[in-house]
Amino acid sequence: DTGVSQDPRHKITKRGQNVTFRCDPISEHNRLYWYRQTLGQGPEFLTYFQNEAQLEKSRLLSDRFSAERPKGSFSTLEIQRTEQGDSAMYLCASSYTSSGNTIYFGEGSWLTVV
Amino acid sequence: ILNVEQSPQSLHVQEGDSTNFTCSFPSSNFYALHWYRWETAKSPEALFVMTLNGDEKKKGRISATLNTKEGYSYLYIKGSQPEDSATYLCAPMNNNAGNMLTFGGGTRLMVKP
Repeated sequence: DTGVSQDPRHKITKRGQNVTFRCDPISEHNRLYWYRQTLGQGPEFLTYFQNEAQLEKSRLLSDRFSAERPKGSFSTLEIQRTEQGDSAMYLCASSYTSSGNTIYFGEGSWLTVV
Repeated sequence: ILNVEQSPQSLHVQEGDSTNFTCSFPSSNFYALHWYRWETAKSPEALFVMTLNGDEKKKGRISATLNTKEGYSYLYIKGSQPEDSATYLCAPMNNNAGNMLTFGGGTRLMVKP
């Protein structure tokens, strides 16, 4: 298994543009998570899917952010009308069923908004 | 959102030193505690998932203990090596916070050769 993969790894965009990140979880993992990490902080939860259903969504996720997992496999995170405060690393993670199981992370997608 | 604190924020040790860090979290409705090691330019690597009060887990020179009644976990590294240099993150889960991990700010460890 190749682990959780994210694309692109780095993205520089101008303020106001839309960006989309993709996450491919470990196959058979039915849970998929998105987190955001800024310098000096631990990762912050954004949203979580079980199969194709988005079950939880943080208050951090403004209406400019949308995440989908249409077929219960890969997921996309779109940020519309990016702002400089959106500059961060966006981490995707996946796990199988039980909350006590290990959650595996990808290497993250760095976003810089200029 | 859980209040998770890790200390110290950063730590410099000499190769061969043993070290430990602390993770504090709310003890109520505890479900599980995850420890991760995050090296620069890599993905966070899962070290341990701990669920029971008094749990002790070990992986090579790294071990962790868990006290769910008072809400803390310790991570120990015996005989630190330069390759142990990383940020160590703890993330508790509780029954009220759904299925999300709530991360502390991490402890950044630098081991000098």
